[in-house]
Amino acid sequence: EAQVTQNPRYLITVTGKKLTVTCSQNMNHEYMSWYRQDPGLGLRQIYYSMNVEVTDKGDVPEGYKVSRKEKRNFPLILESPSPNQTSLYFCASSFKGTGFSPLHFGNGTRLTVT
Amino acid sequence: QKEVEQNSGPLSVPEGAIASLNCTYSDRGSQSFFWYRQYSGKSPELIMFIYSNGDKEDGRFTAQLNKASQYVSLLIRDSQPSDSATYLCALGVEYGNKLVFGAGTILRVKS
Repeated sequence: EAQVTQNPRYLITVTGKKLTVTCSQNMNHEYMSWYRQDPGLGLRQIYYSMNVEVTDKGDVPEGYKVSRKEKRNFPLILESPSPNQTSLYFCASSFKGTGFSPLHFGNGTRLTVT
Repeated sequence: QKEVEQNSGPLSVPEGAIASLNCTYSDRGSQSFFWYRQYSGKSPELIMFIYSNGDKEDGRFTAQLNKASQYVSLLIRDSQPSDSATYLCALGVEYGNKLVFGAGTILRVKS
């Protein structure tokens, strides 16, 4: 089954404790990205990757890191989480990241930082 | 002005009726438009995409695009209670290689 898999689904942590949210896709997509979703603000892009070793900032990259060492994986790293990073996070992939390819979303990770 | 504007709703329609969801955008250069459905706590699911002016139909769904007026709409015919969800409008942006989403419209279909 073609899918984007995120883990964990739920995560509660404390301020400053480093965490990683994993994302993997099995569709051989070149493009992967991370979004966060907050009430009233919609989905906002954090980082994206056009291919292996190619990453770039989205609209809200502060406090986040990413890496793309393999085509299928695109982990999101919060090195020192803060309460304003409490949000619902989605990993997404598409065949080509040209703005014409639909995004396929993972199931989401609900993060709470206390 | 936000890049993508949607009425937050909720839009309430009776079962069997046509639900009409609207979206306006500010970037005249936008070329690709997407409608996603999102159930509470779940991930967005693609319903349709449209690139050309006019209508595009897929089953009970019709997307309408008017680039001159900068709006895109989604019609849902024969609405069912299972259509109750938040509908997200998004436009494709080549710079930054992303989709820019509206905040979504809540649809409630009452049986």
